[in-house]
Amino acid sequence: QKEVEQDPGPLSVPEGAIVSLNCTYSNSAFQYFMWYRQYSRKGPELLMYTYSSGNKEDGRFTAQVDKSSKYISLFIRDSQPSDSATYLCAMTYGQNFVFGPGTRLSVLP
Amino acid sequence: DVKVTQSSRYLVKRTGEKVFLECVQDMDHENMFWYRQDPGLGLRLIYFSYDVKMKEKGDIPEGYSVSREKKERFSLILESASTNQTSMYLCASRPLGGGGYEQFFGPGTRLTVL
Repeated sequence: QKEVEQDPGPLSVPEGAIVSLNCTYSNSAFQYFMWYRQYSRKGPELLMYTYSSGNKEDGRFTAQVDKSSKYISLFIRDSQPSDSATYLCAMTYGQNFVFGPGTRLSVLP
Repeated sequence: DVKVTQSSRYLVKRTGEKVFLECVQDMDHENMFWYRQDPGLGLRLIYFSYDVKMKEKGDIPEGYSVSREKKERFSLILESASTNQTSMYLCASRPLGGGGYEQFFGPGTRLTVL
């Protein structure tokens, strides 16, 4: 079993849709949970992070962590064509940093 | 503004060539990383360094070496390039202390080995 699993997609949605991106993980030691966004031909950039369990909202984006289920989610409301990118989940404890394989999202106008 | 730069965006090399990929960060970060990114496999850690002249193997170090002579510069070396090293290579840096949940990435080098 991989340490972090993520559906690679691709996922195509119409503009304005609600998008749900998910990752599962196996190591209960992870403390910080992050979502990175990677546009084509660019490096990943941090979108949001959450420490331990709970929700965090930033504009149209909401990150959720459920440590009991070892499951994290990113929700995008009112999705825009500019949200088209690959979304990578990542998690860390101490100096250990693990990325999911990424989900490619296309938001169609 | 935080910046990580990589020496080349695209590189084409032949099998057996020695290849140097350079990364420079201007944030005075202690930690620097080299990843390769392949479809379906995500980011895989090749090597990382937590200080000048220090290096640690990541998950897939075979066929690679690194050099960190200055704090701001971290080089990845392919001693004898092979076709299975065709990939996107990403450099990242991260501070040692607080805020250590974020890695800052360069734009990547797409390497093709013929």
